[in-house]
Amino acid sequence: GQQVMQIPQYQHVQEGEDFTTYCNSSTTLSNIQWYKQRPGGHPVFLIQLVKSGEVKKQKRLTFQFGEAKKNSSLHITATQTTDVGTYFCAGPSYQKVTFGTGTKLQVIP
Amino acid sequence: KAGVTQTPRYLIKTRGQQVTLSCSPISGHRSVSWYQQTPGQGLQFLFEYFSETQRNKGNFPGRFSGRQFSNSRSEMNVSTLELGDSALYLCASSVGLAGNTDTQYFGPGTRLTVL
Repeated sequence: GQQVMQIPQYQHVQEGEDFTTYCNSSTTLSNIQWYKQRPGGHPVFLIQLVKSGEVKKQKRLTFQFGEAKKNSSLHITATQTTDVGTYFCAGPSYQKVTFGTGTKLQVIP
Repeated sequence: KAGVTQTPRYLIKTRGQQVTLSCSPISGHRSVSWYQQTPGQGLQFLFEYFSETQRNKGNFPGRFSGRQFSNSRSEMNVSTLELGDSALYLCASSVGLAGNTDTQYFGPGTRLTVL
């Protein structure tokens, strides 16, 4: 079945440093979605990318969808303590949504 | 618009018991998906219901079942509970089928502990 891996699994950064998480799917995706889950919370939808090579920005967050539509990345510029949480990518395949393994971000003030 | 609601929020059961969890989707959403989240396995897809029909199922044993009512509310049932069923159970609603790229909105989850 489809597998979606994310690296790194954990990341500790000093506040103000940049952060990137990478998402790789074993199959081609029609689109990719990103979610953020705060500690003790539930996943919250951030964005959806559909086109090959697409880049979207949300303030300090930049999302990219790979040309082959099998990988994606999320980059956060100048992290803040409010960025703490686990970031998941998710992609549909065979009418199921598979979530990535997640990257847990810790920001040290 | 009210968000996705799940009841109960916390539940403690013993091995061998059964449990029923409830999910009320956002008004107008016809699809409800269920996920199991554990520290070791991440977010695992259980099943998706759309218009009272199960449209897709993940790789879970038959002890896990669900249903959807005509008002789109959904329930999931776990019979003969095992210790390994301890997890956060999340439901997510979407306007159309999640597998067809529709955005999912998650509820707060039900934290199930099996003793």
